[in-house]
Amino acid sequence: QSVLTQPPSVSGAPGQRVTISCSGSSPNIGSNNVYWYQHLPGTAPKLLIYRNNQRPSGVPDRFSGSKSGTSASLAISGLRSEDEADYYCAAWDDSLSVHVFGAGTKVTVL
Amino acid sequence: EVQLVESGGGLAKPGGSLRLSCAASGFTFSSYGMNWVRQAPGKGLEWVSFISSSTTYTAYADSVKGRFTISRDNAKNSLLLQMNSLRDEDTAVYYCARDWTTGEDYWGQGTLVTVSS
Repeated sequence: QSVLTQPPSVSGAPGQRVTISCSGSSPNIGSNNVYWYQHLPGTAPKLLIYRNNQRPSGVPDRFSGSKSGTSASLAISGLRSEDEADYYCAAWDDSLSVHVFGAGTKVTVL
Repeated sequence: EVQLVESGGGLAKPGGSLRLSCAASGFTFSSYGMNWVRQAPGKGLEWVSFISSSTTYTAYADSVKGRFTISRDNAKNSLLLQMNSLRDEDTAVYYCARDWTTGEDYWGQGTLVTVSS
């Protein structure tokens, strides 16, 4: 049971916008930066968003992150078939002194 | 080109030990904190451990605390994970990853650890 709560799955048609929520608490999201990763089976995870809403070089602007209080979200606009993957939020937790990942959200493109 | 190459995975018995290595190249290894992250079969990502660039700070997930030890050799550009008292639930693909907080993430290809009798 992760301290960061994500929906198990979200889906959308090509071109649509989907949002993945990540709910935490004061010691983690409430106090620290949130990171988002994309993970395809058999490959290494890829950082999509760092420091809540910053995109690494090379990440399309279809991906955006936001944070408010103890929650964060990742939005994917203009959904494409290649966006089918697992997405994880993560943050440092001050009370546990660990980096915590959410349980992951599977994105399906209909 | 930044490269991280893990090695040392394999089959171990419950209660046994394994040592994972991660060879780094293409960047100034001694300037970056390093992580180990794992993914058990059918499960999500789990952060395992972190070590600061100068080795002064280490952190562990509760699930491995007291059993795993992270270390690094900056002279050899090498990250290590000593895994003792292995359990079935430690079976996973283990990735080494450079500190991602600056927005540049680099990961190894992963090494499979299987704990089974």
